[in-house]
Amino acid sequence: LAKTTQPISMDSYEGQEVNITCSHNNIATNDYITWYQQFPSQGPRFIIQGYKTKVTNEVASLFIPADRKSSTLSLPRVSLSDTAVYYCLVGDMLGEGNTPLVFGKGTRLSVIA
Amino acid sequence: EAQVTQNPRYLITVTGKKLTVTCSQNMNHEYMSWYRQDPGLGLRQIYYSMNVEVTDKGDVPEGYKVSRKEKRNFPLILESPSPNQTSLYFCASSSQGTEIYEQYFGPGTRLTVT
Repeated sequence: LAKTTQPISMDSYEGQEVNITCSHNNIATNDYITWYQQFPSQGPRFIIQGYKTKVTNEVASLFIPADRKSSTLSLPRVSLSDTAVYYCLVGDMLGEGNTPLVFGKGTRLSVIA
Repeated sequence: EAQVTQNPRYLITVTGKKLTVTCSQNMNHEYMSWYRQDPGLGLRQIYYSMNVEVTDKGDVPEGYKVSRKEKRNFPLILESPSPNQTSLYFCASSSQGTEIYEQYFGPGTRLTVT
């Protein structure tokens, strides 16, 4: 299993762009990178996934360098409602030996007015 | 509305009394999974199922059982609950292909075992 390392917490002001970086030095060839958001007492919510290069959707962007040993979730112009825990997951759910997704402890993002 | 439902949402029980937490999804998803979340430990996968009649252990399967007789349902069974199974439980489901990574989570079941 590819272990991930994220900052425990981050603070940001409203309207700023927030970048959360995740390290996954032992990522395997077939592993995908996925990010989830979780609010207190709610189930996680999928944000974005990628395999390489850059992925963008209506919520966020995901930057993955060529060596794939890290990834950066970018949240443009955060608001107070983006205060949550963000999880970086790395794993291969498509292969024969499906590996459990490991959520880790995530990054607690606090957005300040 | 596409959703994953869990019942009950809250449960207080005593050690050794068998219980079942139900999970149902209406999205025709093949993949379903159970997680538990504990303070300081994040979410840990208990069991997962790639399709009907196919289940496998996650990271922390001890003390739990699951079954997948129908595509939409994936109940979590605690045959003899113990206090260390007090936790917040989430069920999740997702589709096939790369969409398998986009899991939809239920609202959670808060279980207390005394």
